[in-house]
Amino acid sequence: QQQVKQSPQSLIVQKGGIPIINCAYENTAFDYFPWYQQFPGKGPALLIAIRPDVSEKKEGRFTISFNKSAKQFSLHIMDSQPGDSATYFCAASKAGGGADGLTFGKGTHLIIQP
Amino acid sequence: DADVTQTPRNRITKTGKRIMLECSQTKGHDRMYWYRQDPGLGLRLIYYSFDVKDINKGEISDGYSVSRQAQAKFSLSLESAIPNQTALYFCATSEGIRLAGGSETQYFGPGTRLLVL
Repeated sequence: QQQVKQSPQSLIVQKGGIPIINCAYENTAFDYFPWYQQFPGKGPALLIAIRPDVSEKKEGRFTISFNKSAKQFSLHIMDSQPGDSATYFCAASKAGGGADGLTFGKGTHLIIQP
Repeated sequence: DADVTQTPRNRITKTGKRIMLECSQTKGHDRMYWYRQDPGLGLRLIYYSFDVKDINKGEISDGYSVSRQAQAKFSLSLESAIPNQTALYFCATSEGIRLAGGSETQYFGPGTRLLVL
């Protein structure tokens, strides 16, 4: 059973465009929703995270939008740059500090064309 | 992240062999995790540990075992490797929630690419 569904699987956007990656979750016990960015040959690194008590969080050019009633959240990248080309994973964890680990989506391979 | 190191970085082995992947961290974190990454499947949790005496199975623990030798070291073993275990393996650490304000961020190592022939 896939608890976190991520789409699209791949995405190509022109420089300056706004790629949007969507995730949906099923388990209402999830209360922490991070996004991880992974470059080729590297481990994933935390990009931005949100809790369900807010509907939006911004950090620089990256924004998470969260819809608790729909059990969906999305990542928006403003003014995208070729250096943003990477694989992005949404994830979720349960209350308690994610003690039992993160449940990841399958990932989105993003390419920003110059 | 240089604070989390994994050895070896690449490994080729044959079906039926026993192999060990090692992870070390200098972040002082109590919590450590092993994940497996397959193309199109994302990352899936194999085992996790809260401290040296507390080890728990994750989503896909069958065929794997772990050892937490110290706070800083967490090893993953494949007792009898099979081709289906060909994947990229990541170790991660987190501080966890000890007191208010504790971080849930997980810090990943660079990964071990394993090929089982």
